[in-house]
Amino acid sequence: DIQMTQSPSSLSASVGDRVTITCQASQDISNYLNWYQQKPGKAPKLLIYDASNLETGVPSRFSGSGSGTDFTFTISSLQPEDIATYYCQQYDNSPLTFGGGTKVEIK
Amino acid sequence: QVQLQESGPGLVKPSGTLSLTCAVSGGSISSSNWWSWVRQPPGKGLEWIGEIYHSGSTNYNPSLKSRVTISVDKSKNQFSLKLSSVTAADTAVYYCARDRDYYGSGSYTYYFDYWGQGTLVTVSS
Repeated sequence: DIQMTQSPSSLSASVGDRVTITCQASQDISNYLNWYQQKPGKAPKLLIYDASNLETGVPSRFSGSGSGTDFTFTISSLQPEDIATYYCQQYDNSPLTFGGGTKVEIK
Repeated sequence: QVQLQESGPGLVKPSGTLSLTCAVSGGSISSSNWWSWVRQPPGKGLEWIGEIYHSGSTNYNPSLKSRVTISVDKSKNQFSLKLSSVTAADTAVYYCARDRDYYGSGSYTYYFDYWGQGTLVTVSS
């Protein structure tokens, strides 16, 4: 299985801050990576697909980059409604695997 | 707008079989999509269980393959999950989801675009 390692596991930032989350794959996955947002008690929601493509309707403050084994997810200006846990997910190989998640809180 | 709704017992006894159904509305289960099950133990991360196509073809996570069966009922526009020999470690919120995959611009894309709201299944005597 491809292991996806996210860091940090949690972070606290102020409204308006730039927030960066990293995801490292245990092997080269090209750009076969998605990012999801999960709010408490809710199902995950797709934000970014193919490492850097913004899903329709998702605010432009969210972005993703990377290829190969190292990926970055960025919130350019943190908003109160962005409080959630964020997960990366690879689809290069079966089984599909997710990172451990990054919980984002407001300072 | 596609909607997915999980249903099934919220409590299963150890060594028993967990059975859930995902009803699909607003779209056909016979469309060119795969349909997945994903679970999340309380306070933990996401684990993909497996997927099915309307033809009945399946792919399973090897970590669960010996205990998992996913089936489809096209007449009812739904698909189902059975997980046998459950233990407390199988306690989780179980989600059904629609897979969207396609080839474009020389690359392959795959993601979960629609999800059910999730259902908590507790394994306990």
